[in-house]
Amino acid sequence: EAGVAQSPRYKIIEKRQSVAFWCNPISGHATLYWYQQILGQGPKLLIQFQNNGVVDDSQLPKDRFSAERLKGVDSTLKIQPAKLEDSAVYLCASSLDLGGNTIYFGEGSWLTVV
Amino acid sequence: AQSVTQLGSHVSVSEGALVLLRCNYSSSVPPYLFWYVQYPNQGLQLLLKYTSAATLVKGINGFEAEFKKSETSFHLTKPSAHMSDAAEYFCAVRGNFGNEKLTFGTGTRLTIIP
Repeated sequence: EAGVAQSPRYKIIEKRQSVAFWCNPISGHATLYWYQQILGQGPKLLIQFQNNGVVDDSQLPKDRFSAERLKGVDSTLKIQPAKLEDSAVYLCASSLDLGGNTIYFGEGSWLTVV
Repeated sequence: AQSVTQLGSHVSVSEGALVLLRCNYSSSVPPYLFWYVQYPNQGLQLLLKYTSAATLVKGINGFEAEFKKSETSFHLTKPSAHMSDAAEYFCAVRGNFGNEKLTFGTGTRLTIIP
């Protein structure tokens, strides 16, 4: 079974530029998450989708971050314009549905803003 | 709101010694609890999860954790540490009934001393 796929793995951009990350969840997984992990910290949920609807985006900085999950499958996370403090690993994850089902993580997309 | 607290950001043990990583949770509903491991430059891998079945949960790589409701704890243990166990470990909690966000602790970095 293929895992959660993310791209690009690494990205370096200058502040005020834009960047987009793509995620393809495990086939059949209805729930998709984007987490931000700053160096030395635990992952923080940015947005959670159930199929193509948003369940929780309370911690998404909506003035610069946006995410979509068209057709309820893959998803894109965009940052525009980027700030230095956005340097982090962006982790995509998916699960069959909610509750106690295992959440599977991708390898992450490493962003450095200079 | 639900949360987890990991006691000790860094833990060092000798190879062959007992590994004990501490996690306490706070949740207003019966929680689902997870331990994830993160190796350098990689995503998160599930070690084990508690979903209200047996209170002693066995995971991969010889790890196990015991859910203690009276102590609101879910500590991770391994009888004998191996050099390959060196990594960052995250405890996470997930609620239910409309509160399914997965919330992570700040992590514990485990170092194995030869």
